Amino acid sequence: DIQMTQSPSSLSASVGDRVTITCRASQSISRYLNWYQQKPGKAPKFLIYAASSLQSGVPSRFSGSGSGTDFTLTISSLQPEDFATYYCQQSYSTPYTFGQGTKLEIK
Amino acid sequence: QVQLVQSGAEMKKPGSSVKVSCKASGGTFSSYAISWVRQAPGQGLEWMGRIIPIFGIANYAQKFQGRVTITADKSTSTAYMELSSLRSEDTAVYYCARTVEMSTNDAFDIWGQGTMVTVSS
Repeated sequence: DIQMTQSPSSLSASVGDRVTITCRASQSISRYLNWYQQKPGKAPKFLIYAASSLQSGVPSRFSGSGSGTDFTLTISSLQPEDFATYYCQQSYSTPYTFGQGTKLEIK
Repeated sequence: QVQLVQSGAEMKKPGSSVKVSCKASGGTFSSYAISWVRQAPGQGLEWMGRIIPIFGIANYAQKFQGRVTITADKSTSTAYMELSSLRSEDTAVYYCARTVEMSTNDAFDIWGQGTMVTVSS
């Protein structure tokens, strides 16, 4: 199975900050990488697919980059509604696997 | 817009089975795969398997092979996930998620609301 490792596991930031979350795969996954946002008690929300393509309706302050084994999710200017947990997920091969999550908290 | 509505919370005894349903409304059901993803309390997301309703073919994560069965009923636009030989470690929220191909990349674009399954004696 492909292991996905996110860093950091948690992050404190303020409204307006620029933040970056990193996701590393245990082997090359090309650009088969998605990102999700999850708020407490809710189902995950789909944000980015194929490493850098924004899902319809997702604000442009979210962006993704990377290929191979190293990927990043960037939020250019944090808004109050962005405080949540973020997960990366590889779709290169089954079983599809997720990172352990990065919890983004208000400073 | 497609919505996925799951069945309600379940309390089960160790060794028993649970069957969770996921009904699609507002769109085409058979054309897309439906995956099942679980989340133990305070933990991350874990993919269990998927089915393509139009073909009725399912594939599973090796971890759950032999214990999980995913099926779909095209006539009612409903997918099911049955997990047997339940143990306390199976206590989790179980989600169904529509699995679509986007730029040749499978992604979970629409999720059900989740079903809490609690396994306890």
